[in-house]
Amino acid sequence: EVQLVESGGDLVQPGRSLRLSCAASGFIFDDFAMYWVRQAPGKGLEWVSGISWNSGSIGYADSIKGRFTISRDNAKNSLYLQMNSLRPEDTALYYCAKGTGSYIKYYFDSWGQGTLVTVSA
Amino acid sequence: QSVLTQPPSASETPGQRVTISCSGSSSNIGSNFVTWFQQLPGTAPKLLIYRNNERPSGIPDRFSGSRSGTSASLAISGLRSEDEADYYCAVWDDSLRGWVFGGGTKLTVL
Repeated sequence: EVQLVESGGDLVQPGRSLRLSCAASGFIFDDFAMYWVRQAPGKGLEWVSGISWNSGSIGYADSIKGRFTISRDNAKNSLYLQMNSLRPEDTALYYCAKGTGSYIKYYFDSWGQGTLVTVSA
Repeated sequence: QSVLTQPPSASETPGQRVTISCSGSSSNIGSNFVTWFQQLPGTAPKLLIYRNNERPSGIPDRFSGSRSGTSASLAISGLRSEDEADYYCAVWDDSLRGWVFGGGTKLTVL
């Protein structure tokens, strides 16, 4: 059974940094692209970033480009999101999601339960 | 403002059929497969439809998807109270080189 467990969410001040992690199990992690998707309180889903199986192809939403960095460690079955220069509008529940193929154009089929990031003074 | 346009809400009575639309452009729906997710209150999204009209195992055939040109639709027949949820369309956008979501449609089963 696929399991995705996010961690690292916290209350942080604007301008500060935070690193999210996603621990994956139940599948061959380095066969699949991985994603981060966020949901602001009471709002819809927003794709944040995706990374291919070997980190060779990476994509970011325009709203976070230049501030967030996605990475993965296939030896540790883990996905990360380094979030810098955080803004109040980054406040959201951040979900980790598993792709259905090796590259970030493939749709995602499994989601974690999310980790909450709150950016406020 | 989402790249994909969905109606913010939809409602229908139990047993009836409801359709939720998702409108995009040639760079997304017009050239890539559409995916649909269901998000029940307080839970993570769940894959409902992939590749425009395919259902993962465990998803009842009451749920169906279609695509025509730059628009897609999700149909739910035989509505049940447990179908009350938010529904999102999603698709890869060739111009943005990323995934885009619709704004979501809140379905109420009256």
